[in-house]
Amino acid sequence: SQKIEQNSEALNIQEGKTATLTCNYTNYSPAYLQWYRQDPGRGPVFLLLIRENEKEKRKERLKVTFDTTLKQSLFHITASQPADSATYLCALEGAGSYQLTFGKGTKLSVIP
Amino acid sequence: KAGVTQTPRYLIKTRGQQVTLSCSPISGHRSVSWYQQTPGQGLQFLFEYFSETQRNKGNFPGRFSGRQFSNSRSEMNVSTLELGDSALYLCASSVGSGSGSYNEQFFGPGTRLTVL
Repeated sequence: SQKIEQNSEALNIQEGKTATLTCNYTNYSPAYLQWYRQDPGRGPVFLLLIRENEKEKRKERLKVTFDTTLKQSLFHITASQPADSATYLCALEGAGSYQLTFGKGTKLSVIP
Repeated sequence: KAGVTQTPRYLIKTRGQQVTLSCSPISGHRSVSWYQQTPGQGLQFLFEYFSETQRNKGNFPGRFSGRQFSNSRSEMNVSTLELGDSALYLCASSVGSGSGSYNEQFFGPGTRLTVL
């Protein structure tokens, strides 16, 4: 069965450092991969989308890589700030599936 | 542009009852998806509607159903509620155009359902 794993439930990092979150998947051939941020008591907020034929995508301090051979995506936040503290979710989408399958998320805490 | 709205925000029901949740998408968005979020299982896909048609359904029992209206507003219904149905129910809308990606999802604040 399809499985998505995000490297850890929680990650603590010092302010100013680069946070790296991992999303691994098995038994899936996603056409697209998305990353979302979720704050307590709120719905997820879209951050980035990367296609299967793209290796890397950037947006301000965010960078996503997508390796379909390793079946892995890495999500980087550079120069992390306490305001980046939240749960980050990766989501996979098969071509024409009209469905997002989410990982359980990684709770990031940026310590001042 | 107003965001996705969900009503009610909180709901308490007892086992065996049924419940209807409502979602109003962002203006111009034709796709509405529903998700169930629990601490143990995370975010799980329930179903997706586009132009009043269900295009995909997740692995949930038939007690969970939904529909979409011509103005893209959507409702989901859960009949014969069980304790395990207690969760945050999230609605998300997107442009939903047929080509390429399903598109980024814009989530509402959710409806917190508690089943006693």
